[in-house]
Amino acid sequence: GAVVSQHPSRVICKSGTSVKIECRSLDFQATTMFWYRQFPKQSLMLMATSNEGSKATYEQGVEKDKFLINHASLTLSTLTVTSAHPEDSSFYICSAREGLSGNTIYFGEGSWLTVV
Amino acid sequence: ILNVEQSPQSLHVQEGDSTNFTCSFPSSNFYALHWYRWETAKSPEALFVMTLNGDEKKKGRISATLNTKEGYSYLYIKGSQPEDSATYLCAPGSSASKIIFGSGTRLSIRP
Repeated sequence: GAVVSQHPSRVICKSGTSVKIECRSLDFQATTMFWYRQFPKQSLMLMATSNEGSKATYEQGVEKDKFLINHASLTLSTLTVTSAHPEDSSFYICSAREGLSGNTIYFGEGSWLTVV
Repeated sequence: ILNVEQSPQSLHVQEGDSTNFTCSFPSSNFYALHWYRWETAKSPEALFVMTLNGDEKKKGRISATLNTKEGYSYLYIKGSQPEDSATYLCAPGSSASKIIFGSGTRLSIRP
């Protein structure tokens, strides 16, 4: 089946620094990728939809200057948390939709970010 | 689609028993409903994508039904096995790009 790889799985960074999380579709082309965040005991919250070759679409309340998304190729999207603060510590997970109109969405393994 | 409710939040079932849980969502602006199984330390695994009212899908011992008019979907597991222990997420969408996740049902199977 289709595989989405997310890296790193865990990262610890200092407050004020930036950290990049990568999401790769390994065996299919992903025109659209999604980034989610999960707070403890809550559901996955969609942060933004990343479209290859164009600007990401951010959900209401998500700061686009803080959470930079780049989808430069059909197999890679990156999320950069800029000037990270402890409140950005969370679980971030990406997913990718196969093809232009596929309904099945495949998830990465997720990344635990801790800002100290 | 803003409000997705899954019930129960957690469930403990004896091995061999069958079980089911519910996903409720607003029936307006419906496009598709996704069910995922999420085991600890793994990626959420797609189980079903359902689009039509009255849809029934089956994968091994797991099946799901969909009622878009009243806004609910049921997931059934027949003859639960320890490997079925996971969190089951439903995610209705108002478009191919806009899907909202419920908080999940955490299923634990007792040997």
